[in-house]
Amino acid sequence: DVKVTQSSRYLVKRTGEKVFLECVQDMDHENMFWYRQDPGLGLRLIYFSYDVKMKEKGDIPEGYSVSREKKERFSLILESASTNQTSMYLCASSLYPGGSDTQYFGPGTRLTVL
Amino acid sequence: AQSVAQPEDQVNVAEGNPLTVKCTYSVSGNPYLFWYVQYPNRGLQFLLKYITGDNLVKGSYGFEAEFNKSQTSFHLKKPSALVSDSALYFCAVRDTASGGYNKLIFGAGTRLAVHP
Repeated sequence: DVKVTQSSRYLVKRTGEKVFLECVQDMDHENMFWYRQDPGLGLRLIYFSYDVKMKEKGDIPEGYSVSREKKERFSLILESASTNQTSMYLCASSLYPGGSDTQYFGPGTRLTVL
Repeated sequence: AQSVAQPEDQVNVAEGNPLTVKCTYSVSGNPYLFWYVQYPNRGLQFLLKYITGDNLVKGSYGFEAEFNKSQTSFHLKKPSALVSDSALYFCAVRDTASGGYNKLIFGAGTRLAVHP
């Protein structure tokens, strides 16, 4: 089975702090994704990566950056956290870059910014 | 613009009755369609997908979905609901404007409540 893990289930940070969310997948997947989930809005794509050191902006990249130094690990960085970044963050991975491949999700990190 | 619509915020159904969770889409080209389920405090779990071929797709936990090209719909169905099916369901479609990348557009989600 594909396993996608996220470093924290719950996280509380203060406004202005730098926040790192880590995601690791164990199936040698090429693609990795970061989404945020908000009630009534579904999932919105923040960034994705189709290869090591490669990244592409998603639909809502403002206020976020990412890092992919190794194939299995994809990090989401909030340079200066703000209260409007309070959300559930979901990481996903898929095997191939093609559009028919299934994305597999981690358990999520619920981030609260005070 | 490409989009996915789940017209119902919540669906209520009695245990043992059939259930339907609706999804319509708008994309250019051939759609790749997905259903995911999210249980409380969990990530999304893949249920099924339509890529090509038979319009009726069977997936996990007894769920199936019917692709209807003329109505641009991909409704999720189950013949007999269980209380344990209560969860949040998301429909998604491949973003055909993403240059071949595996980008998905998600609906807002439908909460399914199955009552004993």
